[in-house]
Amino acid sequence: YVLTQPPSVSVAPGETARITCEAANIGSKLVYWYQQKPGQAPVVVMFYDSDRPSGIPARFSGSNSEDTATLTISRVEAGDEADYYCQVWDRTTDHVFGTGTKVTVL
Amino acid sequence: EVQLVQSGAEVKKPGESLKISCKGSGYTFSTSWIGWVRQTPGKGLECMGLIYPGDSDTRYSPSFRGQVTMSVDKSTSTAFLQWSSLKTSDTATYYCARPATLVSAFESWGQGTLVTVYS
Repeated sequence: YVLTQPPSVSVAPGETARITCEAANIGSKLVYWYQQKPGQAPVVVMFYDSDRPSGIPARFSGSNSEDTATLTISRVEAGDEADYYCQVWDRTTDHVFGTGTKVTVL
Repeated sequence: EVQLVQSGAEVKKPGESLKISCKGSGYTFSTSWIGWVRQTPGKGLECMGLIYPGDSDTRYSPSFRGQVTMSVDKSTSTAFLQWSSLKTSDTATYYCARPATLVSAFESWGQGTLVTVYS
């Protein structure tokens, strides 16, 4: 089960970044999103498609439908610059991560 | 507070064996799955598999089955990942991570163990 993300997304401060995660029928699965900054372990920024863990700003939101899940970061800040990964659990392959997206804040 | 503390960086030669560790605290170790995640230099994340300390039930991802062995020591709340014969392609950072349930996100992560294999 392959989760395809765009390699990179560039966005100006204050604008909106949308990171997609594509796979057949991903809308039927629970999607999680992680943020990873250089030299650090990943951190969950979205549970169960669209639930934010405590401490994650409301600027982060998620959606999931049909063949695309999306992580949206509104009013982007310099501190949002990081790699982002989607992840699902599939009964055949257990936990699968997406290919990853590098978000650059211009 | 849930904490996962991993063993330190390793430098090995091809063909050598290795066992790295991940010590859990702040939760009931035996009733929570532990996963291992590989990150190769400049690359993404790959789930290698998970182990349930309560009964050592293991679930290996297809790409890693037969390549590594996961184990636990409940008496010390420690999970292990081991190789019997390392390859240069095993060079990576290895994370242990804890999902709330088998199908949940990895909510807690260790700090990572860098394994370098070169001749």
